[in-house]
Amino acid sequence: QLQLQESGPGLVKPSETLSLSCTVSGGSISSSSSYWGWIRQPPGKGLEWIGTIHYGGSTYYDPSLKSRVTMSVDTSKNQFSLKLTSVTAADTAVYYCTRRHRAGSGIYYIDYWGQGTLVTVSS
Amino acid sequence: AIQMTQSPSSLSASVGDRVTITCRASQDIRNDLGWYQQKPGEAPKLLIYAVSNLQSGVPSRFSGSGSGTDFTLTISSLQPEDFATYFCLQDFNYPLTFGGGTKVEIK
Repeated sequence: QLQLQESGPGLVKPSETLSLSCTVSGGSISSSSSYWGWIRQPPGKGLEWIGTIHYGGSTYYDPSLKSRVTMSVDTSKNQFSLKLTSVTAADTAVYYCTRRHRAGSGIYYIDYWGQGTLVTVSS
Repeated sequence: AIQMTQSPSSLSASVGDRVTITCRASQDIRNDLGWYQQKPGEAPKLLIYAVSNLQSGVPSRFSGSGSGTDFTLTISSLQPEDFATYFCLQDFNYPLTFGGGTKVEIK
């Protein structure tokens, strides 16, 4: 059973960089059919897709965040990471790491989520 | 980006009721749509993928239908553990986009 676990600071100052990691257990981050990603949820609001990375290096980011987001994979640690620069209060949210699975016939779906970690942007 | 319009935003229902939630995409997304359930303080849980495929372990009272731009999640007989918020997600292209959510509350 795949498990994902987010880690990182729960409080970040405005204008600084938010950095989170996600550790994958119960499976390999180097699976060709797995695409790793981040989704966030501001308090009391809906879900926002941030981006996706494949272990091979390809990345896809939401256009509204693209200038501030970097994702990376560390296969030696079975981890992937998110960096979001120049944060403001609007970036306060629960951040989830996810696995997007490529099934047969070109079907994709996000099937695994971490428990989520609240990141507050405040001085 | 593809816009996903979900309705209603909330509903009140009783145990045993049949509940229907809809999502409309701003363009054809073929069958690349999933449904998720989220309870307070928890991560979303995949219920249905590719419009109508039930994720392993999900009760059969959940079903999905639709194609192209209009999609439906149906709960055939609402159970106490089904009171939650439901989201649709289009997985047709990037950026992936969610519906605004439907909160299912006890009547």
